[in-house]
Amino acid sequence: AQKITQTQPGMFVQEKEAVTLDCTYDTSDPSYGLFWYKQPSSGEMIFLIYQGSYDQQNATEGRYSLNFQKARKSANLVISASQLGDSAMYFCAMREGMDTGRRALTFGSGTRLQVQP
Amino acid sequence: NAGVTQTPKFRVLKTGQSMTLLCAQDMNHEYMYWYRQDPGMGLRLIHYSVGEGTTAKGEVPDGYNVSRLKKQNFLLGLESAAPSQTSVYFCASSQIAGRRTGELFFGEGSRLTVL
Repeated sequence: AQKITQTQPGMFVQEKEAVTLDCTYDTSDPSYGLFWYKQPSSGEMIFLIYQGSYDQQNATEGRYSLNFQKARKSANLVISASQLGDSAMYFCAMREGMDTGRRALTFGSGTRLQVQP
Repeated sequence: NAGVTQTPKFRVLKTGQSMTLLCAQDMNHEYMYWYRQDPGMGLRLIHYSVGEGTTAKGEVPDGYNVSRLKKQNFLLGLESAAPSQTSVYFCASSQIAGRRTGELFFGEGSRLTVL
């Protein structure tokens, strides 16, 4: 079974509008972490935001927020006021077993976002 | 401000040739990883290391070997390259603990083509 599912291969959004990128996850571990990374056309992986399974509030980092719905096992990324520079591939990732010290991330297949002027 | 550095950035191999990708990090991180990225499949973990002298298999380890002789370096080897190993390879590292509880820091990637 897929650990991380991103069902939107591609998305379009108008500049200055908000956009939500979907991510669902599958784990039976009570302690886990969820990450979003951005990969622009230049290829580097840029960390955006993190949400721990025990965190009471949704994470926010500037224009990025994570809509964490634990019961639905979803961790959607919301980008507010889209900019042309937001055009990139976005990956959702999960780390399971935070209490055990495991550190590797499992990645979804990604969503390509294109911001239109 | 180097962070994670991968060499080489690009390489073309013929089937059956061998090569080594080098990853170096200057952040004193304990954990290091090698991922491969293929279209439509995200990043998949090849091997990882939890400290100097240790290595472990990830999701797709076949055809690769790794070594972590020094804390700052993590080498990925292909003994007999196959066309299926054409991919972009990413090295990453992370701390044992931190505010973000283990955010991965990535290198810029190495594009490998096997003909």
